[in-house]
Amino acid sequence: DAKTTQPPSMDCAEGRAANLPCNHSTISGNEYVYWYRQIHSQGPQYIIHGLKNNETNEMASLIITEDRKSSTLILPHATLRDTAVYYCIVKNFYDKVIFGPGTSLSVIP
Amino acid sequence: DTAVSQTPKYLVTQMGNDKSIKCEQNLGHDTMYWYKQDSKKFLKIMFSYNNKELIINETVPNRFSPKSPDKAHLNLHINSLELGDSAVYFCASRGSGPREQFFGPGTRLTVL
Repeated sequence: DAKTTQPPSMDCAEGRAANLPCNHSTISGNEYVYWYRQIHSQGPQYIIHGLKNNETNEMASLIITEDRKSSTLILPHATLRDTAVYYCIVKNFYDKVIFGPGTSLSVIP
Repeated sequence: DTAVSQTPKYLVTQMGNDKSIKCEQNLGHDTMYWYKQDSKKFLKIMFSYNNKELIINETVPNRFSPKSPDKAHLNLHINSLELGDSAVYFCASRGSGPREQFFGPGTRLTVL
């Protein structure tokens, strides 16, 4: 079973920041937070991951709370191509990836 | 060049047939996976191989037999196909350490 809780769906206006929350209250000290997304009919795509510090790359930013019990994925300027299902995954890097239902993000023109 | 490739992209077949899906990765990764995504869109891991050795088998029926001829390939053979096997099958690979997984484009299997 997935160790995370995400809202089933969210909308975001094109050009605005999309903030996708994830709760992982049972995360253990050696588990990372990973984010993937799946655009319709395509294979899942890695976005970002972090352990306890905030992370940023060319796609997104990951903000992890100090207690590590929740995190937020931020897409700074959402485009229509960001419409996808976003998966928040918590795991040790040796563990298998377990996908939950994710958040279906709709970017609206 | 495609990092993780799968063939075929679409596969339509009759119940009871045997079919194979091929996966290749050119990333030099040690670990490869097969996932199944059914009509409800849940992605479930089926198998994981590390350096050609099976390390995860998630209670998949033994009609499914993965085969890894070398580190870059993980093929999935399915015997006696059933209607419930209809799904999209994704192959993935991962390097060592806390690295991300790279997924293939998927194979849509339809069993009639």
